[in-house]
Amino acid sequence: GNSVTQMEGPVTLSEEAFLTINCTYTATGYPSLFWYVQYPGEGLQLLLKATKADDKGSNKGFEATYRKETTSFHLEKGSVQVSDSAVYFCALSQAGTALIFGKGTTLSVSS
Amino acid sequence: DVKVTQSSRYLVKRTGEKVFLECVQDMDHENMFWYRQDPGLGLRLIYFSYDVKMKEKGDIPEGYSVSREKKERFSLILESTSTNQTSMYLCASSRDSVATNEKLFFGSGTQLSVL
Repeated sequence: GNSVTQMEGPVTLSEEAFLTINCTYTATGYPSLFWYVQYPGEGLQLLLKATKADDKGSNKGFEATYRKETTSFHLEKGSVQVSDSAVYFCALSQAGTALIFGKGTTLSVSS
Repeated sequence: DVKVTQSSRYLVKRTGEKVFLECVQDMDHENMFWYRQDPGLGLRLIYFSYDVKMKEKGDIPEGYSVSREKKERFSLILESTSTNQTSMYLCASSRDSVATNEKLFFGSGTQLSVL
């Protein structure tokens, strides 16, 4: 079945450091891929998405590129801020099914 | 903005009690979902609904039931709580069709503790 695998956390960085959170997926066909973010005390919210191979999703300085050849959708940011501290979830969807989420990666950024 | 409201932020119950978790969305969304979130396990889908009075089991429906009598409201019912149901429960909705089922809007969650 379909699945999403994220790198284990927590990820601890200093402000302005470069961020990568790895995400790989298993799916038949051509899923859509997403990154959701959960700030402390809140529900999840969509950060970015890509719906086909080689698409790049971007938002708030974060980027992720849909790589079909490596079945990956790694999240990157060039310079993290303390306010980026949150839990990040990679997810996929295919027609007719609910979103499938990874286990989440906690990011902690210190000043 | 879409608002998904969950009735309680924190709940403490004793083993065997019945619990209703209520979720209301205000944007006429077709689809509604209940997930539970546990450390190290991420989000797991309990039940979802694509229409009024319609429900589908997710990955972990055992011990839960749901009700969707009105389009805006989706209730999660725990008939007889057990300690392994201690968790954060997240409700979500989406307006996208079944074919795309993409952007979810989440409530802030209900932290349920079963003693």
